[in-house]
Amino acid sequence: TQLLEQSPQFLSIQEGENLTVYCNSSSVFSSLQWYRQEPGEGPVLLVTVVTGGEVKKLKRLTFQFGDARKDSSLHITAAQPGDTGLYLCAGAPYGGYALNFGKGTSLLVTP
Amino acid sequence: EAQVTQNPRYLITVTGKKLTVTCSQNMNHEYMSWYRQDPGLGLRQIYYSMNVEVTDKGDVPEGYKVSRKEKRNFPLILESPSPNQTSLYFCAARLRGGGYTFGSGTRLTVV
Repeated sequence: TQLLEQSPQFLSIQEGENLTVYCNSSSVFSSLQWYRQEPGEGPVLLVTVVTGGEVKKLKRLTFQFGDARKDSSLHITAAQPGDTGLYLCAGAPYGGYALNFGKGTSLLVTP
Repeated sequence: EAQVTQNPRYLITVTGKKLTVTCSQNMNHEYMSWYRQDPGLGLRQIYYSMNVEVTDKGDVPEGYKVSRKEKRNFPLILESPSPNQTSLYFCAARLRGGGYTFGSGTRLTVV
């Protein structure tokens, strides 16, 4: 199992602030995915990044895959209460489909 | 719309009483997987299936069985549940782009 470390573990911010969540590993992945999970619900896929150095934007969310394909970041601009949730990164190994998940970053955005 | 449906959503059972959690997908995808999610441990893969009649162990398979007799269904079987199997369980199907669609979860309590 290839470990993914997410930081920070918890984040509490006010509406309108910016934030960045990090996902790091010593392993190389063929792709990296980000999910958001609401309490009691299944994770929902936000994005898949597949190319080293790739940057993808989804409205106020910006995802980056590291050049070495070992790390990724998620940046949220002007956070809103609707962004509250658990953010999970997951790496797909070369030659396999099984995802390795980080333990998540729990984000709380207060009005 | 891609969907993974699992039932039941909540289940309380007693130690040793066999149970099955059902999972079905409407996407005709080949790869399906079961995860359990526990506080502090994150999402861990229990079993996966590459296709009909092809299943294999994930990271935490002890105490679980699966079957894949048809592509759309992938049930999780606990032959003799124990309290350490109390957890939140998710079934997932792999999308063509590499991301996963998760079910809404089954919260299992074994007393």
